Amino acid sequence: QVQLKETGPGLVQPTQTLSITCTVSGFSLTSYYMQWVRQTPGKGLEWMGFIRSGGSTEYNSEFKSRLSISRDTSKNQVFLKMNSLKTEDTGVYYCARWNNPFDYWGQGVMVTVSS
Amino acid sequence: DVVMTQTPLSLPISLGDQASFSCRSSQSLLHSNGNTYLAWYLQKSGLSPQILIYRISNRFSGVPDRFSGSGSGTDFTLKISRVEPEDLGVYYCLQHTHLPYTFGAGTKLELK
Repeated sequence: QVQLKETGPGLVQPTQTLSITCTVSGFSLTSYYMQWVRQTPGKGLEWMGFIRSGGSTEYNSEFKSRLSISRDTSKNQVFLKMNSLKTEDTGVYYCARWNNPFDYWGQGVMVTVSS
Repeated sequence: DVVMTQTPLSLPISLGDQASFSCRSSQSLLHSNGNTYLAWYLQKSGLSPQILIYRISNRFSGVPDRFSGSGSGTDFTLKISRVEPEDLGVYYCLQHTHLPYTFGAGTKLELK
C-alpha cells in the first residue's frame, strides 16, 4: 500500500529556513521521481521541484535560489529545505509520487510563516 | 511559463446533471514525443488532490467512467456525465509537457 506522509514545523519565522520530511512506504524511492507541490492562498497549486529516481534534482526557477530537495533512500525519506522564508510562503506543502503525472500525494503539512 | 486558464471559476450544479470544465493553455501541450501531458485532479475539501485523468483522456485506476476527458493542443475539457455527491470539490488541470509544470486556478463544483 502506497503511503506518503509529510512532517514539518507548522510555524516558521520570516527569513528562517523551512525543513519538511516526506516519509514513504509501499514503493522504492529509487524507482520513482518524488515531487514537491505547495498550495498557497496567493498562487494556488505550484510545482516546486523534484528529485529523480537516480537522485538528481530539478527546480522551479521561481524557487531555485532558495530551494533544495534531497533524500535518504535507506530511510525512505525525501526532504525539502527552503530558506529566506516570507509571509507569502504560507500554505500547505505536499510531497507526491510521480508516475506521469502525480499519482499519490501525502496529506500535506500546513506551514505558517509569521513572527 | 505555460499559463493554464480554467473556466468557469464556479460551477453550480444539480445532482444527476452533466458538468463540463474547460482548461486552456497559453501554448501547445503537444510534446515532441507525440504525447500531450494534460491531467485533471479533484481536490475535495480538506484533502489532497486526487488524480482523475492523465494524458487528456485516460482515466486513472478506479475512476468511474462518468468522467471523461478530451481536447488537443491548447484546449481541453473534462466532463462528468451525471454528477454524484462525491464529485463535489475543486477541479484542477495540470500540464507537465513543459517545465515548470503548471496548474490551473481551479473550478469549484458545488450544488445549486
